[in-house]
Amino acid sequence: GNSVTQMEGPVTLSEEAFLTINCTYTATGYPSLFWYVQYPGEGLQLLLKATKADDKGSNKGFEATYRKETTSFHLEKGSVQVSDSAVYFCALRSRGAQKLVFGQGTRLTINP
Amino acid sequence: SAVISQKPSRDICQRGTSLTIQCQVDSQVTMMFWYRQQPGQSLTLIATANQGSEATYESGFVIDKFPISRPNLTFSTLTVSNMSPEDSSIYLCSVEPPGNEQFFGPGTRLTVL
Repeated sequence: GNSVTQMEGPVTLSEEAFLTINCTYTATGYPSLFWYVQYPGEGLQLLLKATKADDKGSNKGFEATYRKETTSFHLEKGSVQVSDSAVYFCALRSRGAQKLVFGQGTRLTINP
Repeated sequence: SAVISQKPSRDICQRGTSLTIQCQVDSQVTMMFWYRQQPGQSLTLIATANQGSEATYESGFVIDKFPISRPNLTFSTLTVSNMSPEDSSIYLCSVEPPGNEQFFGPGTRLTVL
């Protein structure tokens, strides 16, 4: 079945550091890939998405590229801020399906 | 986009009791979903609730344990029945407006003693 594996957390960085959160997936066909973010006390919000191979999703300085050859969708940001502290979830959805399959989430803490 | 509210935001319940969680969305949507997030784990889809039809449950979830109502296009309830400590989780509803991705509610944090 479909599955998503995320980098183990928690991750703690200093402000302005470079961020990478790894995400790999197992799926048949060509799923759509997503990163969701959950800020403290809030619901999940869609951060970015990519729907086909080599697509790059980007939002709020975050980027992720859909890599079919490595079945990966790693999240990156060049310079993190304290306000980026949150839990990040990688997810996929198969073609024609409504169901989202989530990774286990990675808690990110940015220290000033 | 869609704005979703859930009630209650959190609750502490006794073993053997039931809790009904409400999900309200600010626009009419066909597709509504209920997810569970157990402590330290990922989100898992419980069921899909479409207005005018029976909810569709994922493997491992049954209607007797998690009955769902969907009386109209802006509202749904999920009941967690005959609770045990293993049901302690965050329960989230989500919606998918046409042509959009899924939007999530803030979640209901349930603790069963």
